[in-house]
Amino acid sequence: EDQVTQSPEALRLQEGESSSLNCSYTVSGLRGLFWYRQDPGKGPEFLFTLYSAGEEKEKERLKATLTKKESFLHITAPKPEDSATYLCAVSPYGTDKLIFGTGTRLQVFP
Amino acid sequence: EPEVTQTPSHQVTQMGQEVILRCVPISNHLYFYWYRQILGQKVEFLVSFYNNEISEKSEIFDDQFSVERPDGSNFTLKIRSTKLEDSAMYFCASSVEGVGAGELFFGEGSRLTVL
Repeated sequence: EDQVTQSPEALRLQEGESSSLNCSYTVSGLRGLFWYRQDPGKGPEFLFTLYSAGEEKEKERLKATLTKKESFLHITAPKPEDSATYLCAVSPYGTDKLIFGTGTRLQVFP
Repeated sequence: EPEVTQTPSHQVTQMGQEVILRCVPISNHLYFYWYRQILGQKVEFLVSFYNNEISEKSEIFDDQFSVERPDGSNFTLKIRSTKLEDSAMYFCASSVEGVGAGELFFGEGSRLTVL
């Protein structure tokens, strides 16, 4: 069964304190792995798509990496505005859907 | 910046009533989706729609659910006879080339409360 597990469930950081979020996945064939940001009461906002092991993508303070079994979202020197829930999702081959994890709720304090 | 818009933002209904949730996808997008998120749980796929027909649906999307693209701009989700467990945030999404080619753009969601 295709599955996505994210850890930790919640993370509290001081502003400027770098850290990483983990996404482990089991999928029959990986078409793509996606990272989204979700603010309370809002829809998911796209961050990155990764397609193959070894691929890396960066956007401002965020960097996403991919291996054959997991992905990491590295947050460098976070700011309070980075506070949100970060969602990981996979798209299996042969489907047109995303399978989401439960997310990591990040709080960054000044 | 183009965006997916959804109405209503919040709907309260009685169990057994019909509900229609509306979405206006981004104008040049060809693939349309509905997802839902029960409070405190993960975002779950309901259905994908392309070329005026359902291309994929989940086990959640049973006979009580239907989707329609009645004109060139709207995409609707109908729940025929709502149940308490249908209470959730429903998200519409759209994309240019389908999920494998890149990002889905999500709307802000419609919160459905079934009493």
